[in-house]
Amino acid sequence: NAGVTQTPKFQVLKTGQSMTLQCAQDMNHEYMSWYRQDPGMGLRLIHYSVGAGITDQGEVPNGYNVSRSTTEDFPLRLLSAAPSQTSVYFCASSPGTISGNTIYFGEGSWLTVV
Amino acid sequence: GENVEQHPSTLSVQEGDSAVIKCTYSDSASNYFPWYKQELGKRPQLIIDIRSNVGEKKDQRIAVTLNKTAKHFSLHITETQPEDSAVYFCAASRSGGYQKVTFGTGTKLQVIP
Repeated sequence: NAGVTQTPKFQVLKTGQSMTLQCAQDMNHEYMSWYRQDPGMGLRLIHYSVGAGITDQGEVPNGYNVSRSTTEDFPLRLLSAAPSQTSVYFCASSPGTISGNTIYFGEGSWLTVV
Repeated sequence: GENVEQHPSTLSVQEGDSAVIKCTYSDSASNYFPWYKQELGKRPQLIIDIRSNVGEKKDQRIAVTLNKTAKHFSLHITETQPEDSAVYFCAASRSGGYQKVTFGTGTKLQVIP
């Protein structure tokens, strides 16, 4: 299993540009999510999905869109990039077992908005 | 919603000493407490977790303790080694179906050889 795969690993955007971070998982997990990681702020949830066709907002959703057309894929779209969106983005999936929500992260995408 | 506080933000220890990282949570319904380790430039990875029906769990040199009454839990690393240097995140969530996981702000542990 490749686990959670996200691309690109590095990206530089100009303010106002749009882009899509791709994410795919091959573990047949129901749940997928996107986090951003900023210094001193830990991992904050942007959007999440509990299954194909179902998405919801997390803690910091503004400026981002998601969709979940298949179980495997969960892309994150930046609509109009702003310098405040400079961050490291992690896609994640979890099986959501009854005993706990263990999260499996992708390798991360380093995004710089200039 | 849940709020998780983590201390300290940075921690330096000599190789071979112990390291302790502490977290508190606010939601009394939280019952699943994982710890993640993130090496520089890498993804966070689960190293140990504890559920509310136990007070302590050990895995070789790492252990977690949970005090549900006080709503705090801790990570203990004994006989630290340079490869333990990383950022550690605690987290808390409820269990059953999808539950949002709330992370602490992280502790940067440096083990000095």
